[in-house]
Amino acid sequence: DAGVIQSPRHEVTEMGQEVTLRCKPISGHDYLFWYRQTMMRGLELLIYFNNNVPIDDSGMPEDRFSAKMPNASFSTLKIQPSEPRDSAVYFCASSPYQSGRAETQYFGPGTRLLVL
Amino acid sequence: AQSVTQLDSQVPVFEEAPVELRCNYSSSVSVYLFWYVQYPNQGLQLLLKYLSGSTLVKGINGFEAEFNKSQTSFHLRKPSVHISDTAEYFCAVSDKTSYDKVIFGPGTSLSVIP
Repeated sequence: DAGVIQSPRHEVTEMGQEVTLRCKPISGHDYLFWYRQTMMRGLELLIYFNNNVPIDDSGMPEDRFSAKMPNASFSTLKIQPSEPRDSAVYFCASSPYQSGRAETQYFGPGTRLLVL
Repeated sequence: AQSVTQLDSQVPVFEEAPVELRCNYSSSVSVYLFWYVQYPNQGLQLLLKYLSGSTLVKGINGFEAEFNKSQTSFHLRKPSVHISDTAEYFCAVSDKTSYDKVIFGPGTSLSVIP
């Protein structure tokens, strides 16, 4: 299996622009998670999906952030408009559903976002 | 709600020396516990996990961790570290009753000195 795939790996944009991050989870995994990692705040869970349905988006910073999962093999995280404080590494992770719970999370390589 | 504390933000250790990375958690319910490792410019990967059974858990790359319920700890140990173990290590916890979300600790940066 190719693992969790994220694109782009690096993104540099200017403040005010729209940014779209993409994730392809491991086939057969029922859960998908979006995380943000910064030096100041560490690893933060933004939102997660179960069977394409958003379950908990309490970690989404504000209305400028939105996430979708139109099907089992694709998810997007959009920031509109972007701000310099959004600069971070964004990780996508997926997880299989076993015995009534989400098991080990498998992380993608991350997207390094820089907003100027 | 659960929380995870990793008291040591940075741990330098000489090559072939033993290391212990500390993790304490707080939770009002029973939990599952994990250690993840993040190598430079990579995503996190699972080192080991405690779900039930033996409190001593062995993971990949020679790491092990011991679950201590009375002290609410899950410290990670390795008897002899290698240069390649230099990485960021994250302790994580999830609620046994509704295990969907995993709460990660702030991480410990392990630097192995040749």
